Amino acid sequence: DIQMTQSPSSLSASVGDRITITCRASQNIKNFLNWYQQKPGKAPNLLIYAASGLQSGVPPRFSGSGSGTDFTLTISGLRPEDFATYYCQESFSTPWTFGQGTKVEMK
Amino acid sequence: QLQLQESGPGLVKPSETLSLTCTVFGGSISSNNYYWGWIRQPPGKGLEWIGSIYYTGDTFYNRSLKSRVTISVDVSKNQFSLKLNAVTAADTAMYFCVREIYYDIVASYHIADWGQGALVSVSS
Repeated sequence: DIQMTQSPSSLSASVGDRITITCRASQNIKNFLNWYQQKPGKAPNLLIYAASGLQSGVPPRFSGSGSGTDFTLTISGLRPEDFATYYCQESFSTPWTFGQGTKVEMK
Repeated sequence: QLQLQESGPGLVKPSETLSLTCTVFGGSISSNNYYWGWIRQPPGKGLEWIGSIYYTGDTFYNRSLKSRVTISVDVSKNQFSLKLNAVTAADTAMYFCVREIYYDIVASYHIADWGQGALVSVSS
């Protein structure tokens, strides 16, 4: 199985900040990497597919980049509704696996 | 807009079988390029993909659970189901049913839709 490692596990930030979350795969997954946002008590929500594709309805302050083994999710101009946990997920081969999550908290 | 709704018992005894059904509203389960799956999340922890099924009945399972898991589909009812047998306390989790989409333009899969989740506790 492919192992996905996110960093940091948590971060504190302020409204308006630009933040970056990284995700590393244990092997080359090309661009088969998705990002999700999860708020407490809710199901995750797709933000980015295929490493850099912005899901319909997701604000453009969210962006993704990377290929191979190293990927990033960037939020440019953090808004109050962005405080949540973020997960990466590989879709290169089953079983699909997720990173352990990055919790973005208010400073 | 597509909606997914999980249903089933919220409490299962150890060694028994966990059974959940997901009903699909607002779309056909028989659509091409859609796979129907289950993902679980233990309280306070991360996400684990259990498996998925195509409307033809082709299944894909997480090998860590494969010996205990069965996913089936009922096209006439627009539903798919999860059975997990011989459960233990480690199977206590929120269980989400999901729609996985194969986006052929980028040759990529992603999980586009999620149910609200069903909390299943394993306890005697």
